[in-house]
Order: sequence, then structure tokens, then C-alpha cells
Amino acid sequence: GAGVSQTPSNKVTEKGKYVELRCDPISGHTALYWYRQSLGQGPEFLIYFQGTGAADDSGLPNDRFFAVRPEGSVSTLKIQRTERGDSAVYLCASSPLGSSQLNTGELFFGEGSRLTVL
Amino acid sequence: AQSVTQLGSHVSVSEGALVLLRCNYSSSVPPYLFWYVQYPNQGLQLLLKYTSAATLVKGINGFEAEFKKSETSFHLTKPSAHMSDAAEYFCAVTTPRSGYSTLTFGKGTMLLVSP
Repeated sequence: GAGVSQTPSNKVTEKGKYVELRCDPISGHTALYWYRQSLGQGPEFLIYFQGTGAADDSGLPNDRFFAVRPEGSVSTLKIQRTERGDSAVYLCASSPLGSSQLNTGELFFGEGSRLTVL
Repeated sequence: AQSVTQLGSHVSVSEGALVLLRCNYSSSVPPYLFWYVQYPNQGLQLLLKYTSAATLVKGINGFEAEFKKSETSFHLTKPSAHMSDAAEYFCAVTTPRSGYSTLTFGKGTMLLVSP
């Protein structure tokens, strides 16, 4: 597709359950990001992939959160033993490389996956 | 560390009035600065960006922003508000230290436009 695609758009789960959120970036974008947006807040950085590897995972709040991008395209954010505080909109974004081979800084966002933990 | 502060969680204007959304940044190195807009039930989209070229940056839908290093500001303006401008606006910063790879966002300002 033309844009960043995220599935599911909505996910309701019970406390303690395991959740996977999927992101399909724009074709050709080597960089992929996960952000979390809680109610009334701006997006908060979680993890950034350059190709298949996680270049920066400093934003992951704890070891219940994990993300993969095995083939350098689609990414999955995995949350174990979900807690009510994990309820948020999880945003995925992708970015191309500029002529200097640095990221351009411009992110292209998907519509997000709204996670509700009961 | 880099950060942005957006003054005012909500700004209300009348249609046709000037729009001014404030953003101040903190960065120890020259930053790149961005304004993103989020319409209801849509993903964030880039409005405009400053990447160390011209300090006055023009974006989509008639918006513009001016980078003022002395004031560490990057305020967003539009001369005449339209009803369709009602949305949430986010200021964001990145720096070369992260390879421009990580954006830090402000908390957002909701723009309300009344007829």
C-alpha cells in the first residue's frame, strides 16, 4: 500500500494476556519506529529499527515489551503480561534515508493500534 | 537531552482569526524541528519542518513557522483560521546525535475553531 499500515486498529484484552501489534511500513523505507501515545500526551518513543536490527530500544518501558523486524520490512511489537497502564495508542512510523544516508527526520505515521487492557 | 514544550493544551480561535501555537525547544546541539498535525481518527502527518536552511518555513494548508535560535522557539502560525484546521498539533525535535532518527514530541495543542 501507499502508507504505513497497522493492525489491528483496535485491540481489547484482559490484564495478564499477551498481545502482538503489527506494522507494515512504506515500501523502501529502511527505518521503522514504534511510539506510544497515552491519553492527553504526545507520542513517546519506544524503539527504532534500521533494517532488521534495533538501533535504539531505549524507550521500551520494561522487559515485557519486545519488537522484531526479521526481514527488514514488517515489524511486530509484542507485549507480555499486559497491564492496565499499557492501554494507549501504539503508533508505527517509517522513514527514508536522506542523501547523507542519515534519516531525514521526517516520519510517516500509520493510524495506530488502540490497545485497551481491562 | 532534547525536549520541546508546547504552551497551552488548548487554543481557541474564531474562523478567520490568526492562529498562533507556541513551541519552545531545548537542545545542546543544532536541532531539526517539526510540526505534525493529527486530525480526528487519522494518523499524524507532517505540516512543516526546519532543517537548518531558511529560518522561516512554509508548510501545507497555509501554515508557517519561524525558527528563532535566540528564543529557542519554533512557533506555528496561520494568518486566517479555517474550520478544517481544527485538530491536534504536535511540535517535535530531533538532532544529529541520534542520526536524526528519534523524534521527541511535545504534549500537543488542540486547536478549536469556532464559526
